[in-house]
Amino acid sequence: GAGVSQSPSNKVTEKGKDVELRCDPISGHTALYWYRQRLGQGLEFLIYFQGNSAPDKSGLPSDRFSAERTGESVSTLTIQRTQQEDSAVYLCASSHSRRAGGLISPLHFGNGTRLTVT
Amino acid sequence: AQSVTQLDSHVSVSEGTPVLLRCNYSSSYSPSLFWYVQHPNKGLQLLLKYTSAATLVKGINGFEAEFKKSETSFHLTKPSAHMSDAAEYFCGTSGTYKYIFGTGTRLKVLA
Repeated sequence: GAGVSQSPSNKVTEKGKDVELRCDPISGHTALYWYRQRLGQGLEFLIYFQGNSAPDKSGLPSDRFSAERTGESVSTLTIQRTQQEDSAVYLCASSHSRRAGGLISPLHFGNGTRLTVT
Repeated sequence: AQSVTQLDSHVSVSEGTPVLLRCNYSSSYSPSLFWYVQHPNKGLQLLLKYTSAATLVKGINGFEAEFKKSETSFHLTKPSAHMSDAAEYFCGTSGTYKYIFGTGTRLKVLA
């Protein structure tokens, strides 16, 4: 079936501009995550959505970053007034939710959006 | 708090020789552990997962990992490296819902 889809695959923007990144999760996956991966580094957790619950925004690095998700569908990650340090690959992942005592459902990742701020 | 540590940022092996990528975890309870692989310009793909069943976990592409509680380790191995195995490998763990990843190990396979 279709995997996690992210768009655009590449985005080059000028410093100070706003950008919007999109993620289409796998159908039926209630959990959705955004991660940031800087060049040569690991994955940095940004935000987590689970169904209609309040999202966990604890990983967002500043108030210039925000994300939305309507129900269990598409999510958008918005970065306002972009800075050069925002340059990175932004990865989206989705999974089934975890039930108490249930099996852990692994994450399914999209191919990412490579953001370059000039 | 849960965490994972990947002990090597880079590993180089010759084609046909064994691969060992090391991962240690820290958890106050029995963890769920994963290994993911990332090829250039791609997202992460699940190689295998440990969820408190068998301690030796077999994954795709001939990889396997052994959960050793006494050593708090979950090292990834493969008996014979192939050129196509060259990629970045991430060890990860999951708590209540948050997935935490190590900083990655870049595997280089020499012809």
